[in-house]
Amino acid sequence: NAGVTQTPKFQVLKTGQSMTLQCAQDMNHEYMSWYRQDPGMGLRLIHYSVGAGITDQGEVPNGYNVSRSTTEDFPLRLLSAAPSQTSVYFCASSYKRGPHTGELFFGEGSRLTVL
Amino acid sequence: AQSVTQPDIHITVSEGASLELRCNYSYGATPYLFWYVQSPGQGLQLLLKYFSGDTLVQGIKGFEAEFKRSQSSFNLRKPSVHWSDAAEYFCAVAKGNSGTYKYIFGTGTRLKVLA
Repeated sequence: NAGVTQTPKFQVLKTGQSMTLQCAQDMNHEYMSWYRQDPGMGLRLIHYSVGAGITDQGEVPNGYNVSRSTTEDFPLRLLSAAPSQTSVYFCASSYKRGPHTGELFFGEGSRLTVL
Repeated sequence: AQSVTQPDIHITVSEGASLELRCNYSYGATPYLFWYVQSPGQGLQLLLKYFSGDTLVQGIKGFEAEFKRSQSSFNLRKPSVHWSDAAEYFCAVAKGNSGTYKYIFGTGTRLKVLA
């Protein structure tokens, strides 16, 4: 199993450009989520999904869009990048049922710089 | 609103010394509690979790944590620290049912281990 796979690992954008961070998991997890990690602020939840076709906002959703058309994929879209979106982004997924319910499995992160 | 506080931003210990990392949460019900570790440039790995039952939980790499409801705390401990334990540690709480979880992370504690 690959676990949670994020691409790209590094990206540099100019202000106003758009891009999509990809996240895929092969564990049949119903729950998927996106976090951003900034120094001194820990991880903050951007968006999450509890199943295909269902998404909801987290703590810091502005400037980001998500969709969940399949169980495996949960892409994060930046429509018009801003320097404030410079961060490290993590995708995480979890089971909804069973002994590992609630345990988040993380990808390795995507470092985004917006100039 | 629920929140997680890790009062220590940085902690330095000598190899072989004991370790305690503090975590306090603010939440109206019994939360699901987690400790994660992040090595440099990596994603987060689960150390241990508390859902219910015995308030002293054992995790991987020799870590343990104790849930104290009266103090709203979930402190992480290790009797003897190894140089490889140098990393950043995050406490997290989760609210949810049937797998519809929202996770709140603390701001992290960075551990430095002296040889």
